[in-house]
Amino acid sequence: GDSVTQMEGPVTLSEEAFLTINCTYTATGYPSLFWYVQYPGEGLQLLLKATKADDKGSNKGFEATYRKETTSFHLEKGSVQVSDSAVYFCALSDGGATNKLIFGTGTLLAVQP
Amino acid sequence: NAGVTQTPKFQVLKTGQSMTLQCAQDMNHEYMSWYRQDPGMGLRLIHYSVGAGITDQGEVPNGYNVSRSTTEDFPLRLLSAAPSQTSVYFCASSYPGQSEGYTFGSGTRLTVV
Repeated sequence: GDSVTQMEGPVTLSEEAFLTINCTYTATGYPSLFWYVQYPGEGLQLLLKATKADDKGSNKGFEATYRKETTSFHLEKGSVQVSDSAVYFCALSDGGATNKLIFGTGTLLAVQP
Repeated sequence: NAGVTQTPKFQVLKTGQSMTLQCAQDMNHEYMSWYRQDPGMGLRLIHYSVGAGITDQGEVPNGYNVSRSTTEDFPLRLLSAAPSQTSVYFCASSYPGQSEGYTFGSGTRLTVV
């Protein structure tokens, strides 16, 4: 079945460092891909999305490109801030009638001043 | 504010007790889902609904029941709580179509002792 694999954390960075969180997926069809962010004590918020190959999603300085050839959707940010400290989830929607989301295990990002 | 509302935010149950986690959305979303979040396992789908009167099982449905009598509400029932059901529960909703991400509630932290 469809699945999402993302790098294990925690990822610890200094402020203004470059961030990459790897995400790869397995899917039989043409899924949409998402990154969600969960700040401490809160629910998940949609960070960005891409619906087809070569699409780039972007929001709040974060970017991810839908790479069908490598089945990847890596999250990047050029200069992280302390306020970016959170858990990041990669997810896919299989596009079927149920619109179900399948999540990776999440990656904790800790940014130090 | 429009969104997904979950109640209660925190709950402690004794083994064998029953309870209902409430979820309501005011965005007229057709799709609603319940997920549980456990350390190192990401979010796993418990039950989902594609519209009023229609529900189906997700990845981990055992021990949980749902119903969808209205578009707005999607309660999750624990019939006989077990310590293995200690988790954080999230309700989410969305419009049809794989390109739309889900809107999540703020979660219910449940402890079964």
